[in-house]
Amino acid sequence: AQTVTQSQPEMSVQEAETVTLSCTYDTSESNYYLFWYKQPPSRQMILVIRQEAYKQQNATENRFSVNFQKAAKSFSLKISDSQLGDTAMYFCALINTNAGKSTFGDGTTLTVKP
Amino acid sequence: ETGVTQSPTHLIKTRGQQVTLRCSSQSGHNTVSWYQQALGQGPQFIFQYYREEENGRGNFPPRFSGLQFPNYSSELNVNALELDDSALYLCASSSPQREWVSGGYTFGSGTRLTVV
Repeated sequence: AQTVTQSQPEMSVQEAETVTLSCTYDTSESNYYLFWYKQPPSRQMILVIRQEAYKQQNATENRFSVNFQKAAKSFSLKISDSQLGDTAMYFCALINTNAGKSTFGDGTTLTVKP
Repeated sequence: ETGVTQSPTHLIKTRGQQVTLRCSSQSGHNTVSWYQQALGQGPQFIFQYYREEENGRGNFPPRFSGLQFPNYSSELNVNALELDDSALYLCASSSPQREWVSGGYTFGSGTRLTVV
């Protein structure tokens, strides 16, 4: 079985500041991908960033970066220079490459305050 | 390039009834996954279809079933609806099959199902 845990149900940050969202996971597989998705009130899931488990280098996408600690099974998301449009629910997800099964955390609601 | 379209957007059904939710995949996508997202929770994987065959299933009972058609559109059918089936149902498509693993999903906006 694989699990994904997001321990912060809600977070807030001032506009232009930096915030880090936490995620821990568990899987017995060696081949997997990790993702952060954003779900605004429009409900549509948007991919923010992805990390391949076999790559040690942390992924970055503009203002978004991850801290991937494979041994600790930790995968946090850092948002720099937060913008009002970053307000959304953020989900951490794990996809098992072999079985094709995806597991999502319960999400963190992020509010960016002006 | 069109995105993923789900219909209907909202639906109210009575306990015990059957429901069919539809998903039109993004052009060229041959893999589709369905998720159930209860209020305040993350999406739960229901199943995945690849080239019209089920390619993986989560922990959902057999009354949750699906179809994928030659044009790669898809249906989710739920029989004998229960109150706990009330949720947002999301469809995500990708192509080729390995792209979905690397995150090449395109999600629809979902169908909000309410069972009363």
